[in-house]
Amino acid sequence: KNEVEQSPQNLTAQEGEFITINCSYSVGISALHWLQQHPGGGIVSLFMLSSGKKKHGRLIATINIQEKHSSLHITASHPRDSAVYICAANNFGNEKLTFGTGTRLTIIP
Amino acid sequence: KAGVTQTPRYLIKTRGQQVTLSCSPISGHRSVSWYQQTPGQGLQFLFEYFSETQRNKGNFPGRFSGRQFSNSRSEMNVSTLELGDSALYLCASSTGPSSYEQYFGPGTRLTVT
Repeated sequence: KNEVEQSPQNLTAQEGEFITINCSYSVGISALHWLQQHPGGGIVSLFMLSSGKKKHGRLIATINIQEKHSSLHITASHPRDSAVYICAANNFGNEKLTFGTGTRLTIIP
Repeated sequence: KAGVTQTPRYLIKTRGQQVTLSCSPISGHRSVSWYQQTPGQGLQFLFEYFSETQRNKGNFPGRFSGRQFSNSRSEMNVSTLELGDSALYLCASSTGPSSYEQYFGPGTRLTVT
């Protein structure tokens, strides 16, 4: 079992819909990252959080340390949001980064 | 500020050869981490360097090695290449350890034939 699990693996939605991607982890962590990868490979860091909630534009990330769970929300989704979203967790102690398998999001106009 | 740069961007090598990949971090960043991405295994952590010292190493064989120079530039080397080493190799830099925000380079796509 992977230490970091993401769901769903694939998500297709209509433009304007509210999107939620979930990430669960099984180990103690010092930080959790949400990353975005577009076709072609480039990865952009969206959020890094260790508690609570962060918001940037239409994107919101939350984390519940007790439940070992984080969510990435996209409001008013747009076709340009189509990408693979990856969560990654820093292991508490050695800080090694472990990645989820990613969620492929497709937004249809 | 210039972003993270990686060279070369594409590389084709033959099984048994060795390869060296280079990563130049964002100016002022002292931490460089390397990752391997394959369709089957996804993203996996290779190693992390901070101020020329290896802080962490992932679960990869000894054929994978790296180093960091005094200007924070980093190189990784893979010796005795295998077909399974074909992957996108990404480096990321940050101001602190990998628990800080990571800034990724565009990657080097390595194909081993």
